[in-house]
Amino acid sequence: AQSVSQHNHHVILSEAASLELGCNYSYGGTVNLFWYVQYPGQHLQLLLKYFSGDPLVKGIKGFEAEFIKSKFSFNLRKPSVQWSDTAEYFCAVRVLNDYKLSFGAGTTVTVRA
Amino acid sequence: AAGVIQSPRHLIKEKRETATLKCYPIPRHDTVYWYQQGPGQDPQFLISFYEKMQSDKGSIPDRFSAQQFSDYHSELNMSSLELGDSALYFCASSLGTGSYGYTFGSGTRLTVV
Repeated sequence: AQSVSQHNHHVILSEAASLELGCNYSYGGTVNLFWYVQYPGQHLQLLLKYFSGDPLVKGIKGFEAEFIKSKFSFNLRKPSVQWSDTAEYFCAVRVLNDYKLSFGAGTTVTVRA
Repeated sequence: AAGVIQSPRHLIKEKRETATLKCYPIPRHDTVYWYQQGPGQDPQFLISFYEKMQSDKGSIPDRFSAQQFSDYHSELNMSSLELGDSALYFCASSLGTGSYGYTFGSGTRLTVV
């Protein structure tokens, strides 16, 4: 069965620090990849997505992610975090021609001012 | 821009009662997905509908049923509620199989007491 693994359960860092969140998936076929952010009490919001083309994807709020097919990875990065980046981050995968998204367990990011 | 609308936002029910959650996709979206997110958990896929037909089924209990109507809105019916059903239920919509992405609603927070 398709699975999505997020390596970090909780990350705590200071403002201006760099952030990298790991995401690996298990499916060997063609996939679409997503990163969502969920602020406290709010719904999931799309940060970025990869469907095809340039494996380095830039999203909103200064986030980017790199798809490395050989490693089945889609890690999220931000060079300099802000206090407002405190949230839960979910990696999600959609298998080509499937309907649903499969989510990772999520990573809670706490940014200290 | 119109978003995915879910109602109600909050719902408190007693054990063994029945609840109905509603989801209105954004205009032109013909696919609806239901997810359950327990406290501190990743979203778990329940069920999806495309053009009023069930398109996929996940870990949805037999006590739950859902359908999509002619106007593409969907309702999730939950019977014989249990304490463990307390969670955030959110729905997402897409055009077709999600090749163009997904839009999430804010969710219905169900508390079973």
